[in-house]
Amino acid sequence: AQSVTQLDSQVPVFEEAPVELRCNYSSSVSVYLFWYVQYPNQGLQLLLKYLSGSTLVKGINGFEAEFNKSQTSFHLRKPSVHISDTAEYFCAVREGGGADGLTFGKGTHLIIQP
Amino acid sequence: DADVTQTPRNRITKTGKRIMLECSQTKGHDRMYWYRQDPGLGLRLIYYSFDVKDINKGEISDGYSVSRQAQAKFSLSLESAIPNQTALYFCATSDSSTGYGGYTFGSGTRLTVV
Repeated sequence: AQSVTQLDSQVPVFEEAPVELRCNYSSSVSVYLFWYVQYPNQGLQLLLKYLSGSTLVKGINGFEAEFNKSQTSFHLRKPSVHISDTAEYFCAVREGGGADGLTFGKGTHLIIQP
Repeated sequence: DADVTQTPRNRITKTGKRIMLECSQTKGHDRMYWYRQDPGLGLRLIYYSFDVKDINKGEISDGYSVSRQAQAKFSLSLESAIPNQTALYFCATSDSSTGYGGYTFGSGTRLTVV
């Protein structure tokens, strides 16, 4: 069965500094990988996704992520964060050919400090 | 109008009461899902439906039931609500014809069982 581990429950970062949110997955088959963002009191918005092809994926709001099959990771990065990036970030995986639906990590709360 | 609409947005109910959460979509997607979100646990899949006649249990289906009344409507019922079902509930949709890249989430229903 697939699983997702987000190694940090909270990440405090100063404004305009770079950030990396870590995500590792466990699966014995090919996977599709996603990052979602949840702003306070809102639903989930897709940041980016990896389905196939280039392992470096660019998303909205200046975020990018790199799929690393050998390390089973899909870390999210942004070179310079803003106060508006304060939110909960979720990594999710779907196995190719497996049961439907996404498996989510427990989330990382990104806290931007002025 | 939102692509995926959940009603109600907020609900407080008493232990033992039956409650229904509703989800409707205008995306024309064939697949629909119900998730619950708990602080520190991420989102977990309750039920999913491939089409009107195909409904499947997810990771945490005990205590819940669903009904797919039409391709565009998928409701979640708690037959006898209990306090540990207090959570934020999300409906989502996807289109199987486009592969696994597109999951659209509703804005959520915050349910409190007292």
